[in-house]
Amino acid sequence: DAGVTQSPTHLIKTRGQQVTLRCSPKSGHDTVSWYQQALGQGPQFIFQYYEEEERQRGNFPDRFSGHQFPNYSSELNVNALLLGDSALYLCASSLGTGASPLHFGNGTRLTVT
Amino acid sequence: AQSVTQLDSQVPVFEEAPVELRCNYSSSVSVYLFWYVQYPNQGLQLLLKYLSGSTLVESINGFEAEFNKSQTSFHLRKPSVHISDTAEYFCAVRPKYSGAGSYQLTFGKGTKLSVIP
Repeated sequence: DAGVTQSPTHLIKTRGQQVTLRCSPKSGHDTVSWYQQALGQGPQFIFQYYEEEERQRGNFPDRFSGHQFPNYSSELNVNALLLGDSALYLCASSLGTGASPLHFGNGTRLTVT
Repeated sequence: AQSVTQLDSQVPVFEEAPVELRCNYSSSVSVYLFWYVQYPNQGLQLLLKYLSGSTLVESINGFEAEFNKSQTSFHLRKPSVHISDTAEYFCAVRPKYSGAGSYQLTFGKGTKLSVIP
């Protein structure tokens, strides 16, 4: 039973560029959430997708956008990259609403130079 | 809105000694509480959760946490730690009921547990 998989594992981009990160949820899960974890900090909620729609969004600018596909996989897009966007980006999947716990992937380490 | 405070950023402890990692939260609504563990270069793994019922919850690897509503705390404890417990531990909360912010986990800044041989 595959868990949450994220690609790529590492990425180096230049300021101003755009990046796309990908996530496949755990088998049977239909909800995907994205978190940003800066160095030495706890994860910060970016947004959550359910039924191919953004269900909730955290305090992140519009440069951060996402998508969920019919097979429940998801992408996180970040435009006009800033040095401060350097972080570990974590994808988490869960089943529907309620108290279903999140299952996290190993993350994508993004470095912006 | 919710906030989580983990009072210790780093906790060194000798192998086989007991440990307590402290977590306090603030919320205007009822919340679910979680502890996650993160090993180096990995994502977060759920360690244990409090949803309702008994205020003492246990994990399969010997950790336990107790929900204290009056003190708004959810401290994590283990009576005897092992080298393999060396990791970063995150406390998190999520509102119980639907509404603004109800789908997001709010995390603390984490506590790095270092087990010394």
